[in-house]
Amino acid sequence: SAVISQKPSRDICQRGTSLTIQCQVDSQVTMMFWYRQQPGQSLTLIATANQGSEATYESGFVIDKFPISRPNLTFSTLTVSNMSPEDSSIYLCSALLASSGNTIYFGEGSWLTVV
Amino acid sequence: DAKTTQPPSMDCAEGRAANLPCNHSTISGNEYVYWYRQIHSQGPQYIIHGLKNNETNEMASLIITEDRKSSTLILPHATLRDTAVYYCIVKGYSTLTFGKGTMLLVSP
Repeated sequence: SAVISQKPSRDICQRGTSLTIQCQVDSQVTMMFWYRQQPGQSLTLIATANQGSEATYESGFVIDKFPISRPNLTFSTLTVSNMSPEDSSIYLCSALLASSGNTIYFGEGSWLTVV
Repeated sequence: DAKTTQPPSMDCAEGRAANLPCNHSTISGNEYVYWYRQIHSQGPQYIIHGLKNNETNEMASLIITEDRKSSTLILPHATLRDTAVYYCIVKGYSTLTFGKGTMLLVSP
């Protein structure tokens, strides 16, 4: 399996500000993903973080709102820009581990509350 | 990816086997069945996955029907710590698409 660490684990943010979430994997992985889980809801894929190129966003998510970086095979960041209370969610980083039969593992999440 | 259907909730007595069903009647030949669980807003935890053979690991067993249109996750001796939302996901070459899952409540 893979150990996926996210920072911060929890934060309270002022509306209109931006916050960057960091995700570190303990081994090199081919694919990394970012999900959002709004209160009481299931997980929704935001984007696939591509190493060395622009992220691939799912319908309803745009780069200006959720810029993503992936500078190498073990690290990615997600920024939530110009936050509003509707952005209050858990943001989850995940990674596909080819050495484990292409299983996808998740970090513990970053719980953001926008006030 | 094929869609899955799971009951919204199930109950199980502590120490008994928990059998969680999942229907995936539109699954295609190259798609795997994955199971994850999420305990109270923690990150989803991988449990097990399979293609067409039954699988077992230290956490659970996965039984896939011969026509692959449904599967059952079995927790052989459920404990209170197994209370969680369990997600059955069919995955090919794309990412994981989460449905609403089954809320399993294990009671003393």
